[in-house]
Amino acid sequence: QSALTQPASVSGSPGQSITISCTGSSGDVGTYSLVSWYQQVPGKAPKLLIYEVSERPSGVSDRFSGSKSGNTASLTISGLQADDEADYYCCSYVSSSTFRLFGGGTKLTVL
Amino acid sequence: QVQLVESGGGLVKPGGSLRLSCAASGFNLSDYYMSWIRQAPGKGLEWISYMSNSGNTIYYAASVKGRFTISRDNGKNSLYLQMNSLRAEDTAVYYCAKDPTFRVRFEQWGQGTLVTVSS
Repeated sequence: QSALTQPASVSGSPGQSITISCTGSSGDVGTYSLVSWYQQVPGKAPKLLIYEVSERPSGVSDRFSGSKSGNTASLTISGLQADDEADYYCCSYVSSSTFRLFGGGTKLTVL
Repeated sequence: QVQLVESGGGLVKPGGSLRLSCAASGFNLSDYYMSWIRQAPGKGLEWISYMSNSGNTIYYAASVKGRFTISRDNGKNSLYLQMNSLRAEDTAVYYCAKDPTFRVRFEQWGQGTLVTVSS
């Protein structure tokens, strides 16, 4: 099974909001509210930002929010800051032997 | 301090084997759902294996099924990944990650260990 579909790159200016999409199918994102989002700075391990579509772990800024519509989940970052520049990945439960599927990743550039 | 530390990576020839370890501290591995996730150089994340908290349920990605084996030693509080019949495309940084639920919530990751498969 192919990776969930994310845009390769997005960009925004400080203070703006951006949204990163994550498109799957009825076998994963479309049926299950088990989508999580991760931020990865180059050379570092990923960090959990959002789980179960829209839940935020303690310690994660409320500038990060998640949502889902149909087969597409989205991560929105508001009030962009320079240190938001990183790679972002979605991950979903999959109702098959695939079990867990990541998106291809999106590189966020803060202009 | 809650921590995951991977080890065991290195350079191995195609067809060779390697065993990765993930040592947990600050919590009991047997209370969590654990996964191995890898990242090839310059590429995205790929989930490859899962073990439930009970150890009774195990899954593998199609890309490693039949070649890799996940296991756990509760006494050493460690998770393992035995990798056999290694291929060039297995070259990656390998992370272990813990999930407190069954619900795709990788709340903590190790620092990763690099595996290079090359002749």
